[in-house]
Amino acid sequence: SQQGEEDPQALSIQEGENATMNCSYKTSINNLQWYRQNSGRGLVHLILIRSNEREKHSGRLRVTLDTSKKSSSLLITASRAADTASYFCATDKRGGGSQGNLIFGKGTKLSVKP
Amino acid sequence: DVKVTQSSRYLVKRTGEKVFLECVQDMDHENMFWYRQDPGLGLRLIYFSYDVKMKEKGDIPEGYSVSREKKERFSLILESASTNQTSMYLCASSPGVTGELFFGEGSRLTVL
Repeated sequence: SQQGEEDPQALSIQEGENATMNCSYKTSINNLQWYRQNSGRGLVHLILIRSNEREKHSGRLRVTLDTSKKSSSLLITASRAADTASYFCATDKRGGGSQGNLIFGKGTKLSVKP
Repeated sequence: DVKVTQSSRYLVKRTGEKVFLECVQDMDHENMFWYRQDPGLGLRLIYFSYDVKMKEKGDIPEGYSVSREKKERFSLILESASTNQTSMYLCASSPGVTGELFFGEGSRLTVL
């Protein structure tokens, strides 16, 4: 079964609005990562949050992590049409290593309308 | 910038053909990965490698093999392609310290 599950599966908003995507996972982790994928392209790493961190910011991105609930959220503020993409959370599989062997969720498809 | 290059963006092959998907990274990363991505199923790990000549099975290795003769190159081989291997194949590399993955642009394979 998937380690990470994103919610919602699809999200449609207007430019300028905020977009929030959620991720739940099942087992202990060292870190949780968020990736972005434009249609038909490879994934691009956005942000990594460690298990001992609760919140992290990068530009218009804000990620939170609640290890007690085994969940994370990605907030994109003041969204732009260029933010239209699929967003994936990923966790390390066994919670013991950080060599890049990740399990990905199925993603949230974000559509930002101009 | 880290660059992961996949040799073919689009391939069309016939059932039973042998297929090679090549991936090269230019950042001296130890770890390399092959995923496949299918609608509704997300990304699934096929094989990975932590060192030259070393390979580990991922979650769905059946029907695939890999080769890592040089540190920068990781090849995925479909010995006898089947229609259920039609998919998007994504190669990634990682320096291993942070676990962050760097992906190639993907290879979309269609098996007829």
